[in-house]
Amino acid sequence: AQKVTQAQTEISVVEKEDVTLDCVYETRDTTYYLFWYKQPPSGELVFLIRRNSFDEQNEISGRYSWNFQKSTSSFNFTITASQVVDSAVYFCALSEASTGANNLFFGTGTRLTVIP
Amino acid sequence: KAGVTQTPRYLIKTRGQQVTLSCSPISGHRSVSWYQQTPGQGLQFLFEYFSETQRNKGNFPGRFSGRQFSNSRSEMNVSTLELGDSALYLCASSPGTRYEQYFGPGTRLTVT
Repeated sequence: AQKVTQAQTEISVVEKEDVTLDCVYETRDTTYYLFWYKQPPSGELVFLIRRNSFDEQNEISGRYSWNFQKSTSSFNFTITASQVVDSAVYFCALSEASTGANNLFFGTGTRLTVIP
Repeated sequence: KAGVTQTPRYLIKTRGQQVTLSCSPISGHRSVSWYQQTPGQGLQFLFEYFSETQRNKGNFPGRFSGRQFSNSRSEMNVSTLELGDSALYLCASSPGTRYEQYFGPGTRLTVT
């Protein structure tokens, strides 16, 4: 069965520190997709990144970077030089080709607080 | 392009009543998915519609239903409301299965 684990429930960092949010997934599918979403206090889920299982290349987008490692079933998210606006709940999610690529299984989320 | 819109944003209903929530996807998107978010169960997939057909369904009772119209707008209905149905209901749209989903602001339903 599919599963997404975000072991870090809450993280607090001081502004400008780097922070890594961990995500471990389980799936039996060979074709699957991994996502990160941000949920600020307003409640709307904001799409950050989508990765398919055949693309292990790491990605950097501004202060955000993602490390996908199939060997450890992990898809970690790093924010460099954190800012107060990064404060939000971050969700890692998985979808599988066999159960529907638009059927997202979410982790429980990590609440990040950036202290000025 | 305008984002995903959901109406109403807030709703208060009484146990036993029914409710209909509406979602308008991003223009050109044919897939609409619905999710329920609660503090206890987190984010859970309800169902997905694509070209007016339900393509996938999560593990929810039959009281939860939905439909999609020819313009891709979607509605979800919950009948015989229970206190446990109080949640944030999120709608997401995408062009299809090989693309990311974009979420709306949600409808917060409170059942009293």
